[in-house]
Amino acid sequence: KQEVTQIPAALSVPEGENLVLNCSFTDSAIYNLQWFRQDPGKGLTSLLLIQSSQREQTSGRLNASLDKSSGRSTLYIAASQPGDSATYLCAVHGATAGNKLTFGGGTRVLVKP
Amino acid sequence: DAGITQSPRHKVTETGTPVTLRCHQTENHRYMYWYRQDPGHGLRLIHYSYGVKDTDKGEVSDGYSVSRSKTEDFLLTLESATSSQTSVYFCAISESSITGELFFGEGSRLTVL
Repeated sequence: KQEVTQIPAALSVPEGENLVLNCSFTDSAIYNLQWFRQDPGKGLTSLLLIQSSQREQTSGRLNASLDKSSGRSTLYIAASQPGDSATYLCAVHGATAGNKLTFGGGTRVLVKP
Repeated sequence: DAGITQSPRHKVTETGTPVTLRCHQTENHRYMYWYRQDPGHGLRLIHYSYGVKDTDKGEVSDGYSVSRSKTEDFLLTLESATSSQTSVYFCAISESSITGELFFGEGSRLTVL
């Protein structure tokens, strides 16, 4: 059974510092990995989708890497801003979950001005 | 933003009453999903649909039924609501269930008294 873990559960950084968010998964047989952002009381917003054949994906200040062999993905957010405060979730699409997404528990981020 | 509308956004009901949540999409995506999000459990898949009248169970389907009579609408029904079904329910859509990016609605907060 695929398990997805995000450590730490919460993170606080001063504005301007780079954010590094971790996601690990137990089964490397994945199709892709997706990073989401969730603001309080809101739905999930897709940030990046990395296919299993890719090593990284970039969008603006966001960069996500994927290392299937070690079962890890990292989301980097450069020059953090207070508006980046949110919960970040990763999810993997894999055959062991019937091709459906398995979510991590999320990392709650606070960027202090 | 993906065109996904969930209704109602908030509902309070009593134990034993039927409840129907609606998800409407304007993207013409083939796949639609219902998730619930609870503290300590994260996001869990209830049911999903891979086409009109084609649905299947997720990991927490007991007590829930779904219907999809049109591409754009996916209904989630609680035949007899229980307090354990108090949760935030999210609808999601994707073009492809395996490699496609998932897009989420804003959520429906259900309280069962």
